[in-house]
Amino acid sequence: GAVVSQHPSWVICKSGTSVKIECRSLDFQATTMFWYRQFPKQSLMLMATSNEGSKATYEQGVEKDKFLINHASLTLSTLTVTSAHPEDSSFYICSARGPGQGQNIQYFGAGTRLSVL
Amino acid sequence: AQKVTQAQTEISVVEKEDVTLDCVYETRDTTYYLFWYKQPPSGELVFLIRRNSFDEQNEISGRYSWNFQKSTSSFNFTITASQVVDSAVYFCALLSGAGSYQLTFGKGTKLSVIP
Repeated sequence: GAVVSQHPSWVICKSGTSVKIECRSLDFQATTMFWYRQFPKQSLMLMATSNEGSKATYEQGVEKDKFLINHASLTLSTLTVTSAHPEDSSFYICSARGPGQGQNIQYFGAGTRLSVL
Repeated sequence: AQKVTQAQTEISVVEKEDVTLDCVYETRDTTYYLFWYKQPPSGELVFLIRRNSFDEQNEISGRYSWNFQKSTSSFNFTITASQVVDSAVYFCALLSGAGSYQLTFGKGTKLSVIP
């Protein structure tokens, strides 16, 4: 099956610093990746859709300058949380559209737990 | 607008019992896809099944089975002879709209299987 790797799995940072999270499709090319945020005991909230070679499409209410997304290659998308604050602490999870017949299936990474002190 | 409702927030069963997770969806599109994902405590969402709107055949995969009924807009998931490893949050999701690849998730059902 299609494998998506997300790194790091857990990060602690000081308030005001920036954190970069990587999402890689390991065995397929992903023209489209998605970034979600998940609060404890809640469902996934789509933050943005990342398309290779073009600007990301952000959902309403998501700050573009706060959550920078770069999809520079067909296998890598990055999410940078800039000037992180405690309220940015959350579980961030990425997904990639599958290859071939599975293009409408999203394959998810293992998620990144961000704690901002 | 699309909507997915998982009315069961939490379910607890004793090991070896059967359990059914309910999913009701809303969409105006005639072509759509339904999914189930499993999220164990580790956090990763694991893809379980995809079903398109034109295929109402029920599916069985080992201890898992899915019942898709367009008449009631439901896509229920049954685990037979549950095991402790089945403990997780299960999400039902809908993809609809021409050219769209965005999923609409339900709120999830937390399943606890007690040994």
